[in-house]
Amino acid sequence: DAKTTQPPSMDCAEGRAANLPCNHSTISGNEYVYWYRQIHSQGPQYIIHGLKNNETNEMASLIITEDRKSSTLILPHATLRDTAVYYCIAVIFGNEKLTFGTGTRLTIIP
Amino acid sequence: DGGITQSPKYLFRKEGQNVTLSCEQNLNHDAMYWYRQDPGQGLRLIYYSQIVNDFQKGDIAEGYSVSREKKESFPLTVTSAQKNPTAFYLCASSLTGTGTDEQYFGPGTRLTVT
Repeated sequence: DAKTTQPPSMDCAEGRAANLPCNHSTISGNEYVYWYRQIHSQGPQYIIHGLKNNETNEMASLIITEDRKSSTLILPHATLRDTAVYYCIAVIFGNEKLTFGTGTRLTIIP
Repeated sequence: DGGITQSPKYLFRKEGQNVTLSCEQNLNHDAMYWYRQDPGQGLRLIYYSQIVNDFQKGDIAEGYSVSREKKESFPLTVTSAQKNPTAFYLCASSLTGTGTDEQYFGPGTRLTVT
């Protein structure tokens, strides 16, 4: 699985868009980009995933660069409840094993 | 409500004792997983199972054992052979364990061994 690199921490003002970057320069053609988040002392929660097209759901948007070497998770209107650790993971199609790094600790500031 | 339950939330054991952590799901998912999380770290895969009566080792299986006798249940035993068992243990499930199914996580069990 491709290694992903994320900044260790970020702050965002409440009500603003939170943009979380992820680098995956060694990603292969059959690897998807997944995002999960973990609120303190809880189990991780799935957010969104994509292969090469941009994706949007009720929680977030995922923007993947054309060369697929990086992506950005966008939380359009951050709230205090979005404070969590966000994990970007590259997952090979058909491989159910997830490898979590240390993620980005996002703090939403009132 | 559909979901994954883990019990207990907190567990304390003496060194040298085996302990079994419970994980149950009513999502009708085929695949189930166990992860370990240490403070400030990401999750590491211990064991996973794609089907009843079958399971595979993950990245850190030594000192752990599992069983999958029922689709709904995937208990994890932390044996006395596990050198550093104190950790946060998370169970997850996914629809098929293949393709692009997202994993659904339980609330976790925090195990402390002294």
